[in-house]
Amino acid sequence: QKEVEQDPGPLSVPEGAIVSLNCTYSNSAFQYFMWYRQYSRKGPELLMYTYSSGNKEDGRFTAQVDKSSKYISLFIRDSQPSDSATYLCAGDAGKSTFGDGTTLTVKP
Amino acid sequence: ETGVTQSPTHLIKTRGQQVTLRCSSQSGHNTVSWYQQALGQGPQFIFQYYREEENGRGNFPPRFSGLQFPNYSSELNVNALELDDSALYLCASSLRDRGNEKLFFGSGTQLSVL
Repeated sequence: QKEVEQDPGPLSVPEGAIVSLNCTYSNSAFQYFMWYRQYSRKGPELLMYTYSSGNKEDGRFTAQVDKSSKYISLFIRDSQPSDSATYLCAGDAGKSTFGDGTTLTVKP
Repeated sequence: ETGVTQSPTHLIKTRGQQVTLRCSSQSGHNTVSWYQQALGQGPQFIFQYYREEENGRGNFPPRFSGLQFPNYSSELNVNALELDDSALYLCASSLRDRGNEKLFFGSGTQLSVL
């Protein structure tokens, strides 16, 4: 079993939709949780970073962590075509462990 | 502030050859991590270097080795290349002294082994 499991997608939504991306993890030692965005042929870019259960908001993005159920989510409000990318969740316990990513397409 | 740069961007090798990939860390960062990303998968941790010492290693054989230099740049060496080594190799730098792991990635080196 992988330490981080991510909804595989792909996901296709119309512009303006609310997007929900989800991951579960099995490693209780994870202290930090991250979401990265990866455009085609590029390296991942850090989008959101949290270290406690609860919500963290940054503009149109909200990261949610529930340590009791080992569940992490990323919500994107008012999605834009420029949000089309692969989204990677990760947990960190001394090194970052990634899910396999969910590819999102936002159609104009 | 300069970002993480990797070279070369693309590389084609044949099975059994050796390869060296290079990475320049973001200014002010003291930790570099290397990841392998196969097509359709997430990055897999290879190893991490902190102040020139290996500081953790993933499930990769010894033919994957690395170095970190005093200026915090780094190399990834892979000996006896196999077809399955074909992947995007990502370097990420971070400032581990702060006890967190915000990784800043380069654009990667796409390695093809024929």
